[in-house]
Amino acid sequence: GNSVTQMEGPVTLSEEAFLTINCTYTATGYPSLFWYVQYPGEGLQLLLKATKADDKGSNKGFEATYRKETTSFHLEKGSVQVSDSAVYFCALGELYGGSQGNLIFGKGTKLSVKP
Amino acid sequence: DGGITQSPKYLFRKEGQNVTLSCEQNLNHDAMYWYRQDPGQGLRLIYYSQIVNDFQKGDIAEGYSVSREKKESFPLTVTSAQKNPTAFYLCASSSDRAEHNEQFFGPGTRLTVL
Repeated sequence: GNSVTQMEGPVTLSEEAFLTINCTYTATGYPSLFWYVQYPGEGLQLLLKATKADDKGSNKGFEATYRKETTSFHLEKGSVQVSDSAVYFCALGELYGGSQGNLIFGKGTKLSVKP
Repeated sequence: DGGITQSPKYLFRKEGQNVTLSCEQNLNHDAMYWYRQDPGQGLRLIYYSQIVNDFQKGDIAEGYSVSREKKESFPLTVTSAQKNPTAFYLCASSSDRAEHNEQFFGPGTRLTVL
């Protein structure tokens, strides 16, 4: 079945450092891909998405490119801030069958940014 | 403001008791979802509903029940049959499942069994 694998955390960075969180997926076809962010004690918020190969999603300085050759959707940010400290989830949208439209989530990566 | 509300934010129950978690949305979304979140395990799908009066089991439905009598509401009951109910529960909705639209999440309910 379809699945999402993302790098395990926690990831600890200093402010203004470069961030990469790896995400790879296994899926039939070409699903939509998402990054969600969860701040402490809150629900998830969509950070960015890409719906087809080679699309780049971007928001708040974060970027991720849909790479079908490597089945990856890595999250990057050039200069992180303390306010970026959160848990980040990679997800894909199911394409077929009764679960069409459902999301499959990775286990999440906790990011801590130190001043 | 449109959005999803979940209540209560914190919930405590004694072992052997059923408890119902509320989820309401005013986004006019057809699809609604319930997830369970445990540390280090990401989100796992409990139940989902595409339309009123219809719902499907997700990956971990045992010990849970739902209803979808109104488009706006999708309550989740955690029954005494759920062996390990202490967790963070998240409700979500989406507008058109076929278009893979994003899911919008509520703030969550943290359930603790005493």
